[in-house]
Amino acid sequence: DARVTQTPRHKVTEMGQEVTMRCQPILGHNTVFWYRQTMMQGLELLAYFRNRAPLDDSGMPKDRFSAEMPDATLATLKIQPSEPRDSAVYFCASGLGTGNYEQYFGPGTRLTVT
Amino acid sequence: GENVEQHPSTLSVQEGDSAVIKCTYSDSASNYFPWYKQELGKRPQLIIDIRSNVGEKKDQRIAVTLNKTAKHFSLHITETQPEDSAVYFCAARVNAGKSTFGDGTTLTVKP
Repeated sequence: DARVTQTPRHKVTEMGQEVTMRCQPILGHNTVFWYRQTMMQGLELLAYFRNRAPLDDSGMPKDRFSAEMPDATLATLKIQPSEPRDSAVYFCASGLGTGNYEQYFGPGTRLTVT
Repeated sequence: GENVEQHPSTLSVQEGDSAVIKCTYSDSASNYFPWYKQELGKRPQLIIDIRSNVGEKKDQRIAVTLNKTAKHFSLHITETQPEDSAVYFCAARVNAGKSTFGDGTTLTVKP
């Protein structure tokens, strides 16, 4: 049963520290999405990639957030420096990209910035 | 960009009753409409989806209807059970691109 994996599952850090979240998409999926979920804002798209190329990162605060896909099996989301308002659950999702439109979510990284 | 509105934000029903959640979207280019169920502390999971070339789709106790002209789609759950209690999200998407999500509906099924 193929699943999207994310690490770490929980992260507590102090304001100003760098945070790196990792995602391993389902093997063969060529589209990767990063979402942020908070009580106030719901599920927001931060960025997405197809075939490792960024297609849209308009939802991401560019001054502190960056997203990359170093290879087809790894996507990263970095926050530097982190702020308390970044506290949220960050989900990665992957999909096949063409034909089949389904997205499969990872378990999420719960980030707390104090 | 796309805007998705979802109603109601909370819904409480008795076990065995039906539940209906409605969403409207703004971008006529959207052609794929998934529904996700999210239990507390878990990931969103796809429960049913519909493409714009179809008006209705059913899967056991769950159905989704789509009205492209009015730009709205609805989730119908029949014979609700306590394990249906969760937050339900609708979304609208153009093909396999980015999703715009509704704000979610917290469904409580009372035994």
